[in-house]
Amino acid sequence: EAGVAQSPRYKIIEKRQSVAFWCNPISGHATLYWYQQILGQGPKLLIQFQNNGVVDDSQLPKDRFSAERLKGVDSTLKIQPAKLEDSAVYLCASSPPGELFFGEGSRLTVL
Amino acid sequence: GEDVEQSLFLSVREGDSSVINCTYTDSSSTYLYWYKQEPGAGLQLLTYIFSNMDMKQDQRLTVLLNKKDKHLSLRIADTQTGDSAIYFCAESKAAGNKLTFGGGTRVLVKP
Repeated sequence: EAGVAQSPRYKIIEKRQSVAFWCNPISGHATLYWYQQILGQGPKLLIQFQNNGVVDDSQLPKDRFSAERLKGVDSTLKIQPAKLEDSAVYLCASSPPGELFFGEGSRLTVL
Repeated sequence: GEDVEQSLFLSVREGDSSVINCTYTDSSSTYLYWYKQEPGAGLQLLTYIFSNMDMKQDQRLTVLLNKKDKHLSLRIADTQTGDSAIYFCAESKAAGNKLTFGGGTRVLVKP
């Protein structure tokens, strides 16, 4: 079974630029999450989707971050404009009822 | 609010047992998880325990839960060099639902 796919794996941008990350969850998984993991810290939930609807985006900095999940499958996370403190690994996870499956993450460096 | 705390670092000799500790504050936590993260990799679920259990054993892994003290531990028997990684404790209110992670414990296994 294919896992959660994320791209790009690595991205380096300058502050005030924009970036987008893509996630393809495991087929059939209704729930999709984006987590932010800053170096040396545990992952922090940014947004949770159930099919193509947002369940929880209370931790998403909406002035610069946006996310969508068109057709309830793939999802994109966008940051515009990026700040230095956005440097982190962005993890996508999907789940049926039960276990979460994580992708390998997209590492963002903001210079 | 929800808070999950872990010690930062653990050093252990190969062949010895490792014990990683975690405390959480939310008494409504229903599922408690242990994830492993190797350098540059995503999060791998090791094991989880439901809050009405006090112990779960899975091969070399033993999870102990003290619900009264909100304390969770992971014991790794016969620790190997391949067990060197960061271990994250996490909690959720429902199986596979959004997780709140601790900051991670870096485990270094010395030959």
